[in-house]
Amino acid sequence: NAGVTQTPKFQVLKTGQSMTLQCAQDMNHEYMSWYRQDPGMGLRLIHYSVGAGITDQGEVPNGYNVSRSTTEDFPLRLLSAAPSQTSVYFCASSRPGGGGYQETQYFGPGTRLLVL
Amino acid sequence: AQSVTQPDIHITVSEGASLELRCNYSYGATPYLFWYVQSPGQGLQLLLKYFSGDTLVQGIKGFEAEFKRSQSSFNLRKPSVHWSDAAEYFCAVGAGNAGNMLTFGGGTRLMVKP
Repeated sequence: NAGVTQTPKFQVLKTGQSMTLQCAQDMNHEYMSWYRQDPGMGLRLIHYSVGAGITDQGEVPNGYNVSRSTTEDFPLRLLSAAPSQTSVYFCASSRPGGGGYQETQYFGPGTRLLVL
Repeated sequence: AQSVTQPDIHITVSEGASLELRCNYSYGATPYLFWYVQSPGQGLQLLLKYFSGDTLVQGIKGFEAEFKRSQSSFNLRKPSVHWSDAAEYFCAVGAGNAGNMLTFGGGTRLMVKP
């Protein structure tokens, strides 16, 4: 199993450009999430999905869109990039939890994004 | 809402010395607690997790952590640090909500002196 994969590894954008960060997992996990990592702030949740067709916002959703058409893929779209979106983005997946039970999240290698 | 504090932003230890990384959490019920490690330029790897039961949990790479409810802490320890342990360490808490979302601390960067 490849686990959680992310592409690209690194991207430079100009302010106002749009792009899609790709995330795929081959573990048949129903849950997937996007986090951003900024120095001194740890990781913060952007959006998450509990299954195909179901998404919800996390702590810092503004400026980002997601959709989940398949179990395997969970792309993150930046509609109009801003310098404040310069960050490292991590995708994660896990088996179903909820109802007071927490499953472990498995993370991809990350995408480093620089917005000029 | 839950929160996690890692009081030490940077820690430097000598190779072979013992290590303790601090983690304090805020959560109303019994939390699910995790420690992840991130090597430079890499993703996050799970070191260990606490869900219930024995409050001392063993993880990979010789790490252990102890859950102390009275102190709202989940400190990570290793008896003898190796140069390859130099990395950033993140403590995280989960509430068992749908989505398995995690709240992370700010991280502690560990440097190892030869």
